[in-house]
Amino acid sequence: KAGVTQTPRYLIKTRGQQVTLSCSPISGHRSVSWYQQTPGQGLQFLFEYFSETQRNKGNFPGRFSGRQFSNSRSEMNVSTLELGDSALYLCASSGVAGASNTGELFFGEGSRLTVL
Amino acid sequence: GESVGLHLPTLSVQEGDNSIINCAYSNSASDYFIWYKQESGKGPQFIIDIRSNMDKRQGQRVTVLLNKTVKHLSLQIAATQPGDSAVYFCAENNAGNMLTFGGGTRLMVKP
Repeated sequence: KAGVTQTPRYLIKTRGQQVTLSCSPISGHRSVSWYQQTPGQGLQFLFEYFSETQRNKGNFPGRFSGRQFSNSRSEMNVSTLELGDSALYLCASSGVAGASNTGELFFGEGSRLTVL
Repeated sequence: GESVGLHLPTLSVQEGDNSIINCAYSNSASDYFIWYKQESGKGPQFIIDIRSNMDKRQGQRVTVLLNKTVKHLSLQIAATQPGDSAVYFCAENNAGNMLTFGGGTRLMVKP
């Protein structure tokens, strides 16, 4: 069974640009969550999509957005990039509606974004 | 490899010894907790979980202890191996699949 796939793995952008990251969850999984990982702030929750609906949202500005398609694939977008957006963006998928129901989120290897 | 945290607390143990990694959580209403392992260049990997109605759970070579009174979690790894070297995160489940992660602890295993 293929794991969570994130593309691209690495990318470099300049301030003011926008970026779109893609995540393909494990087949059959309907929940996709996004996390930002930085050395200073650690792992922080961005948002979660379940059956194409945003179900939870973390404390990030509106420049961060996402969506989920009918095949459960998800994209996140960051507009007007800032230097502080440089981070590892991780996607996680789950087969059920809540982590406490199964015990496991499956993480991808992340997309490493560098903003210059 | 890529660094996930430049100033993480570090635990250094000898191969074969037991390791104990500690974590304090913030939300007394959290009812579900998970430990993740993250190796360099990879995403976090599930290790073990525990629900708030339990105070101990054992897996293969790992044990998680939960003390709700002081909002503290610990992960015990028995007979630590070089392959256990990684950054370990605790996480609490707030709603749905929204997790709040701790800052992480780097485990280094000396051969």
